[in-house]
Amino acid sequence: QVQLVESGGRVIQTGRSLKLSCAASGFPFTTYGMHWVRQAPGKGLEWVAAIWYDGGKKFYADSVEGRFTVSRDNSKNTLYLEMNSLRADDTAVYYCSRRGGDGGSYLDSWGQGTLVTVSS
Amino acid sequence: ETVMTQFPATLSVSPGERATLSCRASQSVSSTLAWYQQKPGQAPRLLIYGASTRATGVPDRFSGSGSGTEFTLSISSLQSEDFAVYYCQQYDNWPLTFGGGTKVEIQ
Repeated sequence: QVQLVESGGRVIQTGRSLKLSCAASGFPFTTYGMHWVRQAPGKGLEWVAAIWYDGGKKFYADSVEGRFTVSRDNSKNTLYLEMNSLRADDTAVYYCSRRGGDGGSYLDSWGQGTLVTVSS
Repeated sequence: ETVMTQFPATLSVSPGERATLSCRASQSVSSTLAWYQQKPGQAPRLLIYGASTRATGVPDRFSGSGSGTEFTLSISSLQSEDFAVYYCQQYDNWPLTFGGGTKVEIQ
């Protein structure tokens, strides 16, 4: 079955950098686009970034453009999110998710999430 | 950016009753609309995609309808496990956007 396991979340100071990982298994990772979605405490879902199956295209939310970088290592079945210049409003649970089976950018599988807390 | 608006924010329903949740897009998204269910402490779960197609394993009491800018998620007879927050999401254009959610609570 599809498994997505995020890691790397922790408490970090404002302005610092952090890299999240998402280990994928149970499906052909190299053929799926992948996404990051976050959820601030007590708030709704916010899409963050997406990357094509081969890394050839990337998309970002305006709120993270220029600060966050999504990447993937298809040899390791792993998705990454590098976050720079972190701000208090980046505090959230970060979910990795897989795009839909028919190629649409809905999200048909989700990890359990990893919590990033940005504090001064 | 396509703004997604969900209403009501909270819906109080008794078990066994029908629930109807609405989602409106600020511009047409055709049928590229998904619905998710999220329970406390859990990741979201895909319920509906393509506005009306149930995801694998989703009970048939869940149904989606609509196209363009107006969408509806209906739950025909609420079970105890259906009390949760529901989100709509458009995937017609970038950036992908979610609605603010509708909390379905026990009346």
